[in-house]
Amino acid sequence: AAGVIQSPRHLIKEKRETATLKCYPIPRHDTVYWYQQGPGQDPQFLISFYEKMQSDKGSIPDRFSAQQFSDYHSELNMSSLELGDSALYFCASSLRTTAYNEQFFGPGTRLTVL
Amino acid sequence: GENVEQHPSTLSVQEGDSAVIKCTYSDSASNYFPWYKQELGKGPQLIIDIRSNVGEKKDQRIAVTLNKTAKHFSLHITETQPEDSAVYFCAASIREGGSEKLVFGKGTKLTVNP
Repeated sequence: AAGVIQSPRHLIKEKRETATLKCYPIPRHDTVYWYQQGPGQDPQFLISFYEKMQSDKGSIPDRFSAQQFSDYHSELNMSSLELGDSALYFCASSLRTTAYNEQFFGPGTRLTVL
Repeated sequence: GENVEQHPSTLSVQEGDSAVIKCTYSDSASNYFPWYKQELGKGPQLIIDIRSNVGEKKDQRIAVTLNKTAKHFSLHITETQPEDSAVYFCAASIREGGSEKLVFGKGTKLTVNP
């Protein structure tokens, strides 16, 4: 079965640079979520989109923005990168018409800020 | 907002023994409780979930129980195998008002010793 695809898998950036992470949800899934996971920590919700509209917003810094496109893929744009942004970034997708919120996670993008 | 507590943070068992991980949640409106297994360098994998209208669910060696009154749920793994070694996260979610983010516990690192 098709899974969530994320690219790139690894990204190294310098401080103050920008980064763009991409997420391709499971086919037919209409909702995308972004989570950030620091070393040894649990995933923290950043933002979500349903049918290309922002659905919910969590602890996403103002330096970050995201959007969902007409083909349902999503991009997380990160500017003015800081050392503390180094983390694993996961995208998850779900189908909102189901009764419960089963979210399936991608393999993640490991961002390292030097 | 929702707060999820997870215990223990580390758990070491002998192969063939059972493992139990417990979580409590704070928001009585939460109605969906998934469990994720995360191996090193990989994304969280949904292994089992339980909905608020069910008290127990079993899938082969894995079972989950939910006590809505006490607001706690548990993961039970029987006949543990070395490949069960991973970090396990519980989570809670509310489906209301478009906010369906998952709130995770801090994780339990399970080690199954051969």
